[in-house]
Amino acid sequence: DAGITQSPRYKITETGRQVTLMCHQTWSHSYMFWYRQDLGHGLRLIYYSAAADITDKGEVPDGYVVSRSKTENFPLTLESATRSQTSVYFCASSEFWTNTGELFFGEGSRLTVL
Amino acid sequence: GDSVTQMEGPVTLSEEAFLTINCTYTATGYPSLFWYVQYPGEGLQLLLKATKADDKGSNKGFEATYRKETTSFHLEKGSVQVSDSAVYFCALSHGSSNTGKLIFGQGTTLQVKP
Repeated sequence: DAGITQSPRYKITETGRQVTLMCHQTWSHSYMFWYRQDLGHGLRLIYYSAAADITDKGEVPDGYVVSRSKTENFPLTLESATRSQTSVYFCASSEFWTNTGELFFGEGSRLTVL
Repeated sequence: GDSVTQMEGPVTLSEEAFLTINCTYTATGYPSLFWYVQYPGEGLQLLLKATKADDKGSNKGFEATYRKETTSFHLEKGSVQVSDSAVYFCALSHGSSNTGKLIFGQGTTLQVKP
């Protein structure tokens, strides 16, 4: 089916472990984003990408790594997970931005770091 | 920097009641403004948008008017339904920066009781 899919939907890990959250979109959108959602903070941008091999930091990038070797995939890696990274992570995509735009979100990945 | 502030929730209403969720923003220039909705267990989806001052966005009975003089974009609906129960996010973007990034408010939970 067309759309944006995230995996895993739920993940429990331990402090210090590496975790990768996957994001795949079928629209060939140029832009992709990773947000985290925390109570009281809304959504905060972690990283974004304007195209394959082009990534940039958002508001809260520390502790995360991204890559984008293919237009349709945008994995997010926590190299050494910490409890403060317990959150719900949303991937989103959009067409090239002009003056307006709509982000299309995945269903989210709920990560718990013990 | 740019920011979005929403009224604290949760907001609890009876079916057919009038809804207002306040949103104010701080930004330089002329941002575009958005309302996104998140139904339980799902990702965010665009509800409505406005790209310039005095524009009114509308969708599914919801409306919001871009008020530059008061830097506000309040969401309204004349008669809410149980199915409107969700989390609502106000957001802004800067088209001039052309990065595709959205800045979100903290979200307001709406619960509609039959």
